[in-house]
Amino acid sequence: GQNIDQPTEMTATEGAIVQINCTYQTSGFNGLFWYQQHAGEAPTFLSYNVLDGLEEKGRFSSFLSRSKGYSYLLLKELQMKDSASYLCAVVDSNYQLIWGAGTKLIIKP
Amino acid sequence: DTAVSQTPKYLVTQMGNDKSIKCEQNLGHDTMYWYKQDSKKFLKIMFSYNNKELIINETVPNRFSPKSPDKAHLNLHINSLELGDSAVYFCASSFFVDRNSPLHFGNGTRLTVT
Repeated sequence: GQNIDQPTEMTATEGAIVQINCTYQTSGFNGLFWYQQHAGEAPTFLSYNVLDGLEEKGRFSSFLSRSKGYSYLLLKELQMKDSASYLCAVVDSNYQLIWGAGTKLIIKP
Repeated sequence: DTAVSQTPKYLVTQMGNDKSIKCEQNLGHDTMYWYKQDSKKFLKIMFSYNNKELIINETVPNRFSPKSPDKAHLNLHINSLELGDSAVYFCASSFFVDRNSPLHFGNGTRLTVT
Protein backbone atom coordinates (compact mmCIF):
# COMPACT_ATOMS: atom_id res chain seq x y z
CA GLY A 1 0.00 0.00 0.00
CA GLN A 2 0.94 3.63 -0.25
CA ASN A 3 1.67 5.54 2.90
CA ILE A 4 2.73 9.01 3.98
CA ASP A 5 3.72 9.59 7.60
CA GLN A 6 3.92 12.95 9.34
CA PRO A 7 3.74 13.85 13.03
CA THR A 8 0.22 14.76 14.04
CA GLU A 9 1.09 17.87 15.97
CA MET A 10 4.13 19.98 16.85
CA THR A 11 4.62 22.99 19.07
CA ALA A 12 7.28 25.65 18.65
CA THR A 13 8.10 29.12 19.94
CA GLU A 14 7.82 32.36 18.03
CA GLY A 15 11.19 33.28 16.51
CA ALA A 16 12.51 29.72 16.67
CA ILE A 17 13.11 27.09 13.97
CA VAL A 18 11.02 23.98 13.44
CA GLN A 19 11.47 20.95 11.18
CA ILE A 20 8.44 18.96 10.05
CA ASN A 21 9.30 15.49 8.77
CA CYS A 22 7.55 13.40 6.16
CA THR A 23 8.37 9.80 5.26
CA TYR A 24 6.73 8.01 2.39
CA GLN A 25 6.32 4.57 0.84
CA THR A 26 4.70 4.90 -2.57
CA SER A 27 4.56 3.02 -5.85
CA GLY A 28 7.08 5.14 -7.67
CA PHE A 29 8.03 8.73 -7.10
CA ASN A 30 7.58 11.77 -9.31
CA GLY A 31 7.92 14.58 -6.82
CA LEU A 32 6.86 15.79 -3.41
CA PHE A 33 4.78 18.81 -2.47
CA TRP A 34 4.35 20.73 0.76
CA TYR A 35 1.17 22.69 1.33
CA GLN A 36 0.11 24.98 4.16
CA GLN A 37 -3.47 24.95 5.40
CA HIS A 38 -4.76 27.47 7.94
CA ALA A 39 -7.78 26.38 9.95
CA GLY A 40 -10.95 26.72 7.93
CA GLU A 41 -9.09 27.64 4.77
CA ALA A 42 -7.84 25.98 1.60
CA PRO A 43 -4.42 24.35 1.28
CA THR A 44 -1.90 26.63 -0.43
CA PHE A 45 1.26 25.55 -2.25
CA LEU A 46 4.57 26.00 -0.43
CA SER A 47 7.21 23.95 -2.22
CA TYR A 48 7.99 21.17 -4.67
CA ASN A 49 10.99 18.81 -4.66
CA VAL A 50 11.81 16.18 -7.24
CA LEU A 51 15.61 16.01 -6.92
CA ASP A 52 17.57 15.31 -3.76
CA GLY A 53 18.66 18.30 -1.79
CA LEU A 54 17.46 21.48 -0.22
CA GLU A 55 15.19 24.06 -1.84
CA GLU A 56 15.10 27.39 -0.06
CA LYS A 57 12.33 29.92 -0.35
CA GLY A 58 12.60 32.76 2.12
CA ARG A 59 11.93 31.55 5.66
CA PHE A 60 10.81 28.14 4.37
CA SER A 61 13.06 25.38 3.03
CA SER A 62 12.22 21.87 1.90
CA PHE A 63 14.60 18.91 1.74
CA LEU A 64 14.29 15.62 -0.10
CA SER A 65 16.13 12.31 0.06
CA ARG A 66 14.65 9.90 -2.45
CA SER A 67 16.81 6.97 -1.33
CA LYS A 68 15.46 7.33 2.21
CA GLY A 69 11.88 8.16 1.23
CA TYR A 70 12.16 11.25 3.39
CA SER A 71 11.48 14.95 3.24
CA TYR A 72 11.33 17.77 5.71
CA LEU A 73 9.99 21.28 5.76
CA LEU A 74 12.10 23.75 7.71
CA LEU A 75 10.51 26.93 8.98
CA LYS A 76 12.80 29.65 10.33
CA GLU A 77 12.09 32.79 12.36
CA LEU A 78 8.68 31.46 13.24
CA GLN A 79 5.79 33.90 13.31
CA MET A 80 2.38 33.48 14.90
CA LYS A 81 0.82 33.39 11.42
CA ASP A 82 2.77 30.19 10.73
CA SER A 83 0.33 28.34 12.99
CA ALA A 84 -1.33 26.02 10.51
CA SER A 85 -1.36 22.46 9.26
CA TYR A 86 1.40 21.42 6.89
CA LEU A 87 0.54 18.73 4.35
CA CYS A 88 3.05 16.51 2.59
CA ALA A 89 1.94 14.99 -0.73
CA VAL A 90 3.83 12.62 -3.03
CA VAL A 91 3.29 12.17 -6.77
CA ASP A 92 3.36 8.44 -7.49
CA SER A 93 4.27 6.54 -10.66
CA ASN A 94 0.79 7.16 -12.09
CA TYR A 95 1.12 10.87 -11.36
CA GLN A 96 -1.52 10.62 -8.66
CA LEU A 97 -1.11 12.68 -5.51
CA ILE A 98 -0.86 10.71 -2.28
CA TRP A 99 -1.54 12.95 0.73
CA GLY A 100 -0.36 12.75 4.31
CA ALA A 101 -2.77 13.65 7.11
CA GLY A 102 -0.87 16.83 7.85
CA THR A 103 1.05 18.17 10.81
CA LYS A 104 -0.67 20.76 12.97
CA LEU A 105 1.92 23.34 14.00
CA ILE A 106 1.17 25.43 17.06
CA ILE A 107 3.28 28.54 17.62
CA LYS A 108 3.51 29.93 21.15
CA PRO A 109 4.64 33.47 22.03
CA ASP B 1 -9.22 38.11 -9.14
CA THR B 2 -7.74 34.95 -10.59
CA ALA B 3 -8.83 32.07 -8.43
CA VAL B 4 -10.74 28.90 -7.88
CA SER B 5 -14.14 29.79 -6.47
CA GLN B 6 -16.71 27.40 -5.11
CA THR B 7 -20.18 27.95 -3.72
CA PRO B 8 -21.71 27.67 -1.25
CA LYS B 9 -19.17 28.03 1.53
CA TYR B 10 -21.49 26.39 4.05
CA LEU B 11 -24.23 23.87 3.40
CA VAL B 12 -26.46 22.47 6.13
CA THR B 13 -29.07 19.98 5.05
CA GLN B 14 -31.02 16.95 6.18
CA MET B 15 -30.43 13.32 5.39
CA GLY B 16 -32.02 12.22 2.16
CA ASN B 17 -31.82 15.59 0.44
CA ASP B 18 -30.05 16.30 -2.85
CA LYS B 19 -27.56 19.17 -3.08
CA SER B 20 -25.05 20.66 -5.49
CA ILE B 21 -21.74 22.45 -5.07
CA LYS B 22 -20.43 24.63 -7.87
CA CYS B 23 -16.83 25.32 -8.80
CA GLU B 24 -15.27 27.66 -11.31
CA GLN B 25 -11.65 28.54 -12.07
CA ASN B 26 -10.29 31.37 -14.17
CA LEU B 27 -6.64 30.31 -14.05
CA GLY B 28 -6.70 28.78 -17.53
CA HIS B 29 -6.13 25.31 -16.07
CA ASP B 30 -7.31 22.29 -18.01
CA THR B 31 -7.75 19.89 -15.11
CA MET B 32 -10.13 20.16 -12.16
CA TYR B 33 -10.61 18.03 -9.08
CA TRP B 34 -12.96 17.35 -6.21
CA TYR B 35 -11.44 16.44 -2.87
CA LYS B 36 -13.10 15.46 0.40
CA GLN B 37 -11.43 16.39 3.70
CA ASP B 38 -12.84 14.60 6.69
CA SER B 39 -12.55 15.39 10.38
CA LYS B 40 -9.13 13.71 10.51
CA LYS B 41 -7.94 16.18 7.86
CA PHE B 42 -7.08 13.57 5.22
CA LEU B 43 -7.54 14.93 1.72
CA LYS B 44 -9.10 12.24 -0.46
CA ILE B 45 -9.39 12.61 -4.21
CA MET B 46 -12.88 11.93 -5.47
CA PHE B 47 -12.85 12.94 -9.12
CA SER B 48 -10.62 14.58 -11.67
CA TYR B 49 -11.58 16.00 -15.05
CA ASN B 50 -9.23 16.98 -17.86
CA ASN B 51 -10.80 19.12 -20.57
CA LYS B 52 -14.28 18.01 -19.48
CA GLU B 53 -13.34 14.31 -19.53
CA LEU B 54 -13.28 12.18 -16.43
CA ILE B 55 -9.76 10.89 -15.72
CA ILE B 56 -9.93 9.91 -12.05
CA ASN B 57 -12.95 8.34 -10.43
CA GLU B 58 -12.04 6.95 -7.05
CA THR B 59 -14.22 4.61 -5.06
CA VAL B 60 -17.00 7.04 -4.34
CA PRO B 61 -20.69 6.15 -3.92
CA ASN B 62 -22.61 6.71 -7.13
CA ARG B 63 -24.76 9.19 -5.19
CA PHE B 64 -21.93 11.60 -6.07
CA SER B 65 -22.03 12.78 -9.66
CA PRO B 66 -19.61 15.35 -11.07
CA LYS B 67 -20.50 17.45 -14.07
CA SER B 68 -18.09 19.49 -16.16
CA PRO B 69 -19.87 21.71 -18.69
CA ASP B 70 -16.54 23.18 -19.80
CA LYS B 71 -12.94 23.07 -18.62
CA ALA B 72 -13.45 26.06 -16.31
CA HIS B 73 -16.31 24.49 -14.35
CA LEU B 74 -16.68 21.32 -12.33
CA ASN B 75 -19.83 20.91 -10.26
CA LEU B 76 -20.62 18.19 -7.75
CA HIS B 77 -24.12 16.87 -7.25
CA ILE B 78 -24.91 14.65 -4.28
CA ASN B 79 -28.11 12.60 -4.06
CA SER B 80 -29.71 11.12 -0.95
CA LEU B 81 -27.30 12.73 1.48
CA GLU B 82 -26.10 10.65 4.44
CA LEU B 83 -24.63 11.61 7.79
CA GLY B 84 -21.23 10.29 6.69
CA ASP B 85 -21.14 12.79 3.84
CA SER B 86 -20.50 15.57 6.35
CA ALA B 87 -17.04 16.95 5.52
CA VAL B 88 -15.31 19.82 3.77
CA TYR B 89 -15.30 19.48 0.00
CA PHE B 90 -12.53 21.24 -1.94
CA CYS B 91 -12.44 21.97 -5.61
CA ALA B 92 -8.98 22.37 -7.15
CA SER B 93 -7.39 22.92 -10.56
CA SER B 94 -4.02 22.51 -12.26
CA PHE B 95 -2.31 22.03 -15.63
CA PHE B 96 -2.41 18.44 -16.88
CA VAL B 97 0.51 18.67 -19.30
CA ASP B 98 2.77 19.59 -16.39
CA ARG B 99 1.84 16.73 -14.11
CA ASN B 100 3.75 18.31 -11.29
CA SER B 101 2.14 21.71 -11.40
CA PRO B 102 0.75 22.58 -7.97
CA LEU B 103 -2.94 22.41 -7.25
CA HIS B 104 -4.87 25.61 -6.65
CA PHE B 105 -7.72 25.03 -4.22
CA GLY B 106 -11.04 26.73 -3.73
CA ASN B 107 -11.97 27.84 -0.23
CA GLY B 108 -13.99 24.73 0.47
CA THR B 109 -17.62 23.91 1.13
CA ARG B 110 -18.39 22.75 4.64
CA LEU B 111 -21.24 20.27 4.31
CA THR B 112 -23.18 19.28 7.42
CA VAL B 113 -25.81 16.60 7.12
CA THR B 114 -28.23 16.34 10.05
